[in-house]
Amino acid sequence: NAGVTQTPKFQVLKTGQSMTLQCAQDMNHEYMSWYRQDPGMGLRLIHYSVGAGITDQGEVPNGYNVSRSTTEDFPLRLLSAAPSQTSVYFCASSSLLAGDFHEQYFGPGTRLTVT
Amino acid sequence: GNSVTQMEGPVTLSEEAFLTINCTYTATGYPSLFWYVQYPGEGLQLLLKATKADDKGSNKGFEATYRKETTSFHLEKGSVQVSDSAVYFCALSDGSGYALNFGKGTSLLVTP
Repeated sequence: NAGVTQTPKFQVLKTGQSMTLQCAQDMNHEYMSWYRQDPGMGLRLIHYSVGAGITDQGEVPNGYNVSRSTTEDFPLRLLSAAPSQTSVYFCASSSLLAGDFHEQYFGPGTRLTVT
Repeated sequence: GNSVTQMEGPVTLSEEAFLTINCTYTATGYPSLFWYVQYPGEGLQLLLKATKADDKGSNKGFEATYRKETTSFHLEKGSVQVSDSAVYFCALSDGSGYALNFGKGTSLLVTP
């Protein structure tokens, strides 16, 4: 099992550009989520999904879109990048079976810089 | 709302020293509590968890006890190693949704 994979590892964007951060998992997990990690802020939830075709907003959803067309993939789209979106982005997945949910498996992260 | 407060870092210890990282929380109901660890350049990994009051979570020599009376979940290890150098996050889930509330993280550096 590869677990949770994310691409790219690093990305530099100019203000106003758009891009998609890719996330995939091979554990057949129902739940997938995106977090951003900023210095001194911990992790904040952007969007999450509890299954294909179902997504919902987290704490900081503005400026980001998601979709979930398959169980495996959960891409995060930046519509018009802003310097405030400079951050490290983590994708995570988990089984929704009772007792297992909170063992979230994290990808290695994407470090995004917006200039 | 729910929140988690961790002690500020960085924490620097010599190898074999005793480690405590404080974590307190605010939540409604009966949350589950977690410690995640992030090694340099990697994503987070679940270190241990406790789902009800007085439960003790333990893993890799680390342990934490869910104290409802003091709303705390402090992380301890009796003898740290250089390989324990990482950032440690306390987190909670109140069970009403799918989000975990994370603390800001505590950076630990263990020197030989």
